[in-house]
Amino acid sequence: GAGVSQSPSNKVTEKGKDVELRCDPISGHTALYWYRQRLGQGLEFLIYFQGNSAPDKSGLPSDRFSAERTGESVSTLTIQRTQQEDSAVYLCASSFFRTYEQYFGPGTRLTVT
Amino acid sequence: SQQGEEDPQALSIQEGENATMNCSYKTSINNLQWYRQNSGRGLVHLILIRSNEREKHSGRLRVTLDTSKKSSSLLITASRAADTASYFCAASYSGAGSYQLTFGKGTKLSVIP
Repeated sequence: GAGVSQSPSNKVTEKGKDVELRCDPISGHTALYWYRQRLGQGLEFLIYFQGNSAPDKSGLPSDRFSAERTGESVSTLTIQRTQQEDSAVYLCASSFFRTYEQYFGPGTRLTVT
Repeated sequence: SQQGEEDPQALSIQEGENATMNCSYKTSINNLQWYRQNSGRGLVHLILIRSNEREKHSGRLRVTLDTSKKSSSLLITASRAADTASYFCAASYSGAGSYQLTFGKGTKLSVIP
């Protein structure tokens, strides 16, 4: 079946603009994660969704970051008033409930100029 | 910080040789996973080893876990040019939020044909 998809694959935006990143998880996966990866670095956890439970937002770096998920489907990560330090690859992953293996999308490369 | 750390940061070997990468973590874990990343985009799950396991094999991959030293190693035998990628360990820590993965900064492996 189809894997995790993300759009857009690349996004260039001006400082101060808002951006919205989209993630389509694997069908049937109830858990969805967002990560940020700065150049040459590991992955930073941002947010976790599990079914209809309240999301774990403990990794969001500031109140400019927010994310939503509709049921067990699409998720959007929104960054308001983008800053240059927001430039990174944003990765989405999904998994079955209470399993640990995560399936990653190809990521969105965000460049803030 | 609970972030795991891999070493070496970069490794260059000839095709056919074995590659060994190490990972250290901070506190008790549920499991430790290894992922591969090509060209700075999506990650691919390679292998998961649980805290009560000491060694696991998958094809040319061998993972060991030493909970007393809080370390793990990934061995790739008979390396191929296609193994060139960055390799990350990811720890699932015990307790609340154990579904979260804490990634290291990765080892960049180059296999020279």
